Amino acid sequence: QQQVKQSPQSLIVQKGGISIINCAYENTAFDYFPWYQQFPGKGPALLIAIRPDVSEKKEGRFTISFNKSAKQFSLHIMDSQPGDSATYFCAAGEDAGKSTFGDGTTLTVKP
Amino acid sequence: DAGVTQSPTHLIKTRGQQVTLRCSPKSGHDTVSWYQQALGQGPQFIFQYYEEEERQRGNFPDRFSGHQFPNYSSELNVNALLLGDSALYLCASSIWTITSTDTQYFGPGTRLTVL
Repeated sequence: QQQVKQSPQSLIVQKGGISIINCAYENTAFDYFPWYQQFPGKGPALLIAIRPDVSEKKEGRFTISFNKSAKQFSLHIMDSQPGDSATYFCAAGEDAGKSTFGDGTTLTVKP
Repeated sequence: DAGVTQSPTHLIKTRGQQVTLRCSPKSGHDTVSWYQQALGQGPQFIFQYYEEEERQRGNFPDRFSGHQFPNYSSELNVNALLLGDSALYLCASSIWTITSTDTQYFGPGTRLTVL
């Protein structure tokens, strides 16, 4: 049973556009929701994270929107750049560190 | 400030062999978690170590075992390797908090290929 469902699987956006990636979870014990960026051959790098007592968090061009009642959260990348082209993973954390990841979204930003 | 380091970078083994992967956590971190990332998939939690003890375990067989040393570094051991064990093995470090989940920082991973 997949506990974190991520969509879309792939996304193509024009430079300057907004990239939106969505995730849904089932386990209400999750208390930490990070987003990671991964380039080929590298480990995931933390982009931004949110806890369930906050509905939105913004850091630079990256924003997380969190809907606790719907058990959904999303990543918005404003003014997308070709350098943002990578695979993005949402995750949900519980029990002091165990994280469950989505299957990833491959983002391509066209110049 | 050194981040999470892992060794080796790449490893090729044959079926049935055993392998040991190593991880040094970020400075100031005391907790190490291991993840397996198959090609085209998200990382899957293997287990977590704190105070030299396995604290949590994901859905992985006993062939996967680990160890944490007094300096917080950690090893992942996999016995009786199967073709399906081929993956990127990621180490993540964090600061132990019993009441909530804290930020994890990932290393670059070890690419294991089983032939």
